[in-house]
Amino acid sequence: EDQVTQSPEALRLQEGESSSLNCSYTVSGLRGLFWYRQDPGKGPEFLFTLYSAGEEKEKERLKATLTKKESFLHITAPKPEDSATYLCAVPGVGGGSNYKLTFGKGTLLTVNP
Amino acid sequence: DTGVSQDPRHKITKRGQNVTFRCDPISEHNRLYWYRQTLGQGPEFLTYFQNEAQLEKSRLLSDRFSAERPKGSFSTLEIQRTEQGDSAMYLCASSSRLAGRYEQYFGPGTRLTVT
Repeated sequence: EDQVTQSPEALRLQEGESSSLNCSYTVSGLRGLFWYRQDPGKGPEFLFTLYSAGEEKEKERLKATLTKKESFLHITAPKPEDSATYLCAVPGVGGGSNYKLTFGKGTLLTVNP
Repeated sequence: DTGVSQDPRHKITKRGQNVTFRCDPISEHNRLYWYRQTLGQGPEFLTYFQNEAQLEKSRLLSDRFSAERPKGSFSTLEIQRTEQGDSAMYLCASSSRLAGRYEQYFGPGTRLTVT
């Protein structure tokens, strides 16, 4: 069964203090790894797709990277508006499960001014 | 480009009542998904449609739950005889018909509270 584990569960940063979130996965034949941002009471907002080891994607203060076993979401000089839960997910493998996403529990990021 | 929309945004119901939620996907997307999310957890897959065909259902989807997508456009999720354990955020997502594109775009969710 596909497993997605995120760490830490919660992270508190000061504004401008860079850090990284981790997403490790156990799935064979990876068809992509997705990062989402979720604000309280709202649906997840799509951020990035990574398809192969070594790939990197950037958006504003966020950079996502992928290895064969894990992905990192690097946050450079964060601002309070970056506070949210960050989720990673992988699609299933084989048959009808190709499109089912398995999510981690998320990392709750709080950036203090 | 309008995103995924869901209605209602919030629903409070008494145990034993039936509820129905609606999802309108992004217009050019042919795949539609339902997920459920409880506090402190990531979304959990419930079911998925390709056009009007329901192709997969999770074991989480008991016989009290039914989903439809009659014309391959909007979808409804009905929960019969609601229980307190059904309280959760119900999320709908859609994805492109393009091959190899698996990323899903989510709606704002429907928050269900069963009292």
